[in-house]
Amino acid sequence: EVQLVESGGGVVRPGGSLRLSCVGSGFTFDDHAMSWVRQAPGKGLEWVSGISWSGDSTGYADSVKGRFTIARDNAKNSLYLQMNSLRAEDTAFYSCARGAFAMVRGATDFWGQGTLVTVSS
Amino acid sequence: DIVMTQSPDSLAVSLGERATIKCKSSQTVLYNSNNKNYLAWYQQKPGQPPKLLIYWASTRESGVPDRFSGSGSGTDFTLTISSLQAEDVAVYYCHQYYNTPLTFGGGTKVEIK
Repeated sequence: EVQLVESGGGVVRPGGSLRLSCVGSGFTFDDHAMSWVRQAPGKGLEWVSGISWSGDSTGYADSVKGRFTIARDNAKNSLYLQMNSLRAEDTAFYSCARGAFAMVRGATDFWGQGTLVTVSS
Repeated sequence: DIVMTQSPDSLAVSLGERATIKCKSSQTVLYNSNNKNYLAWYQQKPGQPPKLLIYWASTRESGVPDRFSGSGSGTDFTLTISSLQAEDVAVYYCHQYYNTPLTFGGGTKVEIK
């Protein structure tokens, strides 16, 4: 059974940092690109960042470019999102999502349940 | 960035009737080298993560009922639910994966009339 389990969410002050993690199981992790997608409570989906199977290729939404960094460790079946200079508008549920293919330019075919990040003073 | 515009924002359809959702991209998502449209559709029910329904604009994901179908090419796409069932109540999103940043439409909420 495919599983993606996120962790690392919490409450942080504006300007602060947080690191999210996601562990995948039930599939060959390094066969797939991975992404982070967020959803503010009651709002729509926003793709945040994606990384290719090898980690050589990454992409970011304009809203987080220069502040967030995506990384992966295939030996640990893990995906990470380092979030710096956090803003109130970054408040959302952050979900780890599996790409259907090895490269970032592919549909996501499985999503985790998400972890809540709240940016508030 | 490619902007995805969905319409309508919400619709109410009687059980057994057809539901049609439109999605328009601000630029083509048809990749000429392989003639594929880099467009997917997702279903999200309350409290659940999104579920992939359709990819390459018209290919149904394994296990998705055949009442769901996708069509269109270039910049204009449609998701059709041919005979709405109670379990289809959800928000539906289109998504382009042609270019980074990948982008989603704003969502269409489908309810029972």
